[in-house]
Amino acid sequence: AQTVTQSQPEMSVQEAETVTLSCTYDTSESNYYLFWYKQPPSRQMILVIRQEAYKQQNATENRFSVNFQKAAKSFSLKISDSQLGDTAMYFCAFMTFLQGGSEKLVFGKGTKLTVNP
Amino acid sequence: GAGVSQSPRYKVTKRGQDVALRCDPISGHVSLYWYRQALGQGPEFLTYFNYEAQQDKSGLPNDRFSAERPEGSISTLTIQRTEQRDSAMYRCASSLWDRGHEQYFGPGTRLTVT
Repeated sequence: AQTVTQSQPEMSVQEAETVTLSCTYDTSESNYYLFWYKQPPSRQMILVIRQEAYKQQNATENRFSVNFQKAAKSFSLKISDSQLGDTAMYFCAFMTFLQGGSEKLVFGKGTKLTVNP
Repeated sequence: GAGVSQSPRYKVTKRGQDVALRCDPISGHVSLYWYRQALGQGPEFLTYFNYEAQQDKSGLPNDRFSAERPEGSISTLTIQRTEQRDSAMYRCASSLWDRGHEQYFGPGTRLTVT
């Protein structure tokens, strides 16, 4: 079974600084997708970034970028120039394809990030 | 365009009652997913539809839980004879197609069973 591990339950960073959230996963598949979702205090789930396992290039979205190390099964999220609005719970998720065409997201337990002024 | 909507946003029910949770996906999205999220945890997969076909229901915890999507759009998750352990946030997500497309989540229904 696929598992996703986020080893940092809580982190904090000063506004304008850079922070990296770690995520590791376990799978025997070679083709899969990885995601980071953000859950602010409103508890909405917002997609931050997506990475395809067959792409070597790390995904970036404005201030958000990932460091994808396929051999190490590691998928960390870097947030540059942190803003107060980045305060949220961040979930790493693995998408696996199942027989019959179905798929599902497997989430980690999350990292609570606080950006301090 | 409009995002995924869910209703009701909050539901308080007494143990033993049945509840029906509704999800309206983004227009044109073929795939629809249900997840359950306990406080302080990540969402856990319940079931998945492609159009009206329920492709995977392996995450439904027991036979009190069922879901349908009869016309390939709106979906209903039904919990019969609710128990206190069913209290959680129930989230719906939709995606344009399967095979790695992003899943967009609705605001969730917070279910409390007293």
